[in-house]
Order: sequence, then structure tokens, then C-alpha cells
Amino acid sequence: QVQLKESGPGLVQPSQTLSLTCTVSGFSLTSYHVSWVRQPPGKGLEWMGVIWTGGSTAYNSLLKSRLSISRDISKSQVFLKMNSLQTEDTATYYCARDETTEGDYFDYWGQGVMVTVSS
Amino acid sequence: DIVLTQSPALAVSLGQRATISCKTNQNVDYYGNSYMHWYQQKPGQQPKLLIYLASNLASGIPARFSGRGSGTDFTLTIDPVEADDTATYYCQQSRNLPTFGGGTKLELK
Repeated sequence: QVQLKESGPGLVQPSQTLSLTCTVSGFSLTSYHVSWVRQPPGKGLEWMGVIWTGGSTAYNSLLKSRLSISRDISKSQVFLKMNSLQTEDTATYYCARDETTEGDYFDYWGQGVMVTVSS
Repeated sequence: DIVLTQSPALAVSLGQRATISCKTNQNVDYYGNSYMHWYQQKPGQQPKLLIYLASNLASGIPARFSGRGSGTDFTLTIDPVEADDTATYYCQQSRNLPTFGGGTKLELK
């Protein structure tokens, strides 16, 4: 069955770089796009960026200068790197499968990983 | 970016109808489809797809949930509301790069 699972450090120091991994199963990264979405505590959802089946990427304009998304198809993994972290980047980070056959929506989500930015 | 606006909260009684609205600042229709989708999120859980393309029920979602709308105005309806429906509901557009509404927290009276 389709699964996505995020992993990474729970604590990152301010100004440092966040590195997260999304490991997927039940589908191929060459058949589905994968997006990253984050949610600060008690707040709403924010789409961060996507890696498309062909390997191209697109980013939220507010995060574009700090964000990079890549993948390793052989390992079924998608990576997020975001630099210059601040306390406002404290959030739960989700990866989600992007279903584009009909409409481009997120049909499967990982459980999320909580990241705290603090010294 | 396309901005989606939702009311922050809604309180309804068990067994009644809940109608959650989502308004966009740009038309999200394209070639006959409305690129609007709805998710449910319960505390401590990941979002769950309810409705895609404005009115299509996602797999496994009960028929108590329905969506409608086009252009810039969309609604998610839950009828009748059950206790398990208390959650926050988000709309999301994919006409352009994705954006989400701020969420509507559904509570029971």
C-alpha cells in the first residue's frame, strides 16, 4: 500500500540547515510528484515545494531562496533542505503524494515530523 | 499567489448540517474543472483528503460529506454531523502552485 514517512532531526539550531527525508513505498517517484507541506504549532498548512516526476522542482515564493528539494529514485526517497532556519520555522513537516491524474491534490500524507528551531 | 479565505470556526449540533465556505481571490476553474480540494485534520494527525475537484468524494469518505462550487466560491457540507467530525477543515487550490485556506475548526454545540 502507499506510504510516506518523514525522518530527520527534531531540533535544529537557529541559522542552521534543516535536512529531512521522505521515504515512500507503494508507488514510484517517476509516476507521482511529491510535495512538502509544513504546519507551525496551532496554525494552518503551508505548501513548501514539489519535486515533479521528471525531477524538476517548484517552490513557494516565500521560501524559494532557502529551500531545495531533491530525490534518489533508487532509494524511493525525497529530500528537503532549508537553510538559515529561524524560530518561525518550527513546525511539523509533512511530505505528501501529489495525484495529478485528476486535479493535482494530495491523496496520501506522511505522519509528519516535528522540527523545533531553538538554541 | 491565489489566496483562499475560510471562516475560522463553526459550531453545529449533532445531526445537523455544517456548511464550510472557501472563497478565492482568483478563479480556480480551468477547462471545465474546478481545482479546489478539501481536507480534514484531527489533532495530532496528518490531513486527510475528503473532496477533490470541488465535488468528487475521495475513496473511503462517507457520503455525508459533499462539496460544491465553482469559480471563486466553494463549500464543503457535512450532513448530518457526527461527533467524529470535530476537526479542522482546509480547502486547497491547485489552479496555480498550491495554496491552502486558513482552516475552519468545526465544533459541536
